[in-house]
Amino acid sequence: QTVVTQEPSFSVSPGETVTLTCGWGSGSISTSYFPSWYQQTPGQAPRTLIYNTNIRSSGVPDRFSGSILGNKVALTITGAQAEDESYYSCMLYMGNGVVVFGGGTKVTVL
Amino acid sequence: QVQLQESGPGLVKPSQTLSLTCTVSGDSISSGSYHWSWIRQPAGKGLEWIGRLYTNGSTKYNPSLKSRVTISVDTSKNQFSLKLSSVAAADTAVYYCARVVTLVRGVIIIPSYFDYWGQGTLVTVSS
Repeated sequence: QTVVTQEPSFSVSPGETVTLTCGWGSGSISTSYFPSWYQQTPGQAPRTLIYNTNIRSSGVPDRFSGSILGNKVALTITGAQAEDESYYSCMLYMGNGVVVFGGGTKVTVL
Repeated sequence: QVQLQESGPGLVKPSQTLSLTCTVSGDSISSGSYHWSWIRQPAGKGLEWIGRLYTNGSTKYNPSLKSRVTISVDTSKNQFSLKLSSVAAADTAVYYCARVVTLVRGVIIIPSYFDYWGQGTLVTVSS
């Protein structure tokens, strides 16, 4: 079974920058995996932040950006704000119509 | 405004079949522009893709759940449904339905991302 890995948690101070990553054990991730990122607060449905590696969904602040970082996919929050405290999940297209989510990263802003 | 709403029993007994329905408004399931998916999330854990309904009625399932999952469509009601058989406690989760934006690369249709999600419904498997 494909395992997509994310850091379990990050703590960041308001105004700081944090970069979350998403990878999988079998090799490098490229734009051909069509990576996307989702934000979720407790009890709420996920909200789409980034798709196709680096395209922000409508209404998403520009402090959120997506990229390829080395052999992984990255989500960077530049100038974190209190309302960014959430759970962030990546998703990759693994081929043959199958998508896989990462385990998620809990970001704490304090 | 596209909206999705999950409905179905919140409690299912072990070994029985979980059945959920997703009602779509603001878009037509049969329009051909999007695919439609089910995703679940056990408490305190990550999201897990369950499967996808293509606009032509065909389906694709998570290989780890494939033997137990059926996704079907009722275009007259603009709904699609999930059935998960032989459930166990590990199937207890919040179940979401979502719309899938697709890309075409040659002859391949790629599920790019989910743009609209339902609010989710908690299904507990317990006797």
